[in-house]
Amino acid sequence: GAVVSQHPSRVICKSGTSVKIECRSLDFQATTMFWYRQFPKQSLMLMATSNEGSKATYEQGVEKDKFLINHASLTLSTLTVTSAHPEDSSFYICSAQLAGAEETQYFGPGTRLLVL
Amino acid sequence: QKEVEQDPGPLSVPEGAIVSLNCTYSNSAFQYFMWYRQYSRKGPELLMYTYSSGNKEDGRFTAQVDKSSKYISLFIRDSQPSDSATYLCAMSEMDSSYKLIFGSGTRLLVRP
Repeated sequence: GAVVSQHPSRVICKSGTSVKIECRSLDFQATTMFWYRQFPKQSLMLMATSNEGSKATYEQGVEKDKFLINHASLTLSTLTVTSAHPEDSSFYICSAQLAGAEETQYFGPGTRLLVL
Repeated sequence: QKEVEQDPGPLSVPEGAIVSLNCTYSNSAFQYFMWYRQYSRKGPELLMYTYSSGNKEDGRFTAQVDKSSKYISLFIRDSQPSDSATYLCAMSEMDSSYKLIFGSGTRLLVRP
């Protein structure tokens, strides 16, 4: 149980394009999902908290107009990297809280983004 | 000073060794403590979860929390080459968001 999927697993795009990443909780409902970014050999950096049916809460220094988050249902959150640039290349990982056990988070497999 | 400190390693041990991984923290409000394992280019996998102080055992893994010292540990017995990965400690406060604060991760290599 508590499986989280992400799609796509890898994406390569040209500079200036937008990329959408999906995060799904497959066998449970998640009122809250989190989006992280991870650079090589570094730890996870929380970007934003995504709550179903409300606006996402962004961490300090994260541009909300750059990284659009939508959490339209209890099993799906999307992160759109708008007008991507090479410096946005990174490993993006989502996690979902299990309802009734909100202290634990289950992570997706990650999406590797490369912007040329 | 970071809220959570973790030695990045790498830590190299022979197969069968007992591995000890540790984190220290500064925020006394942390109540939930987790250990995640992350293989290269994969998402973190929840290994152990502990609430407040104490020990928890699951197979070859034992998690310990010492809140008085603000120190947590993960022990791996009979380590296997398949245990080679990065181990991340994470912790959170008991509030409405339960945001996780991660350590920097320790890279572990178990040599056959």
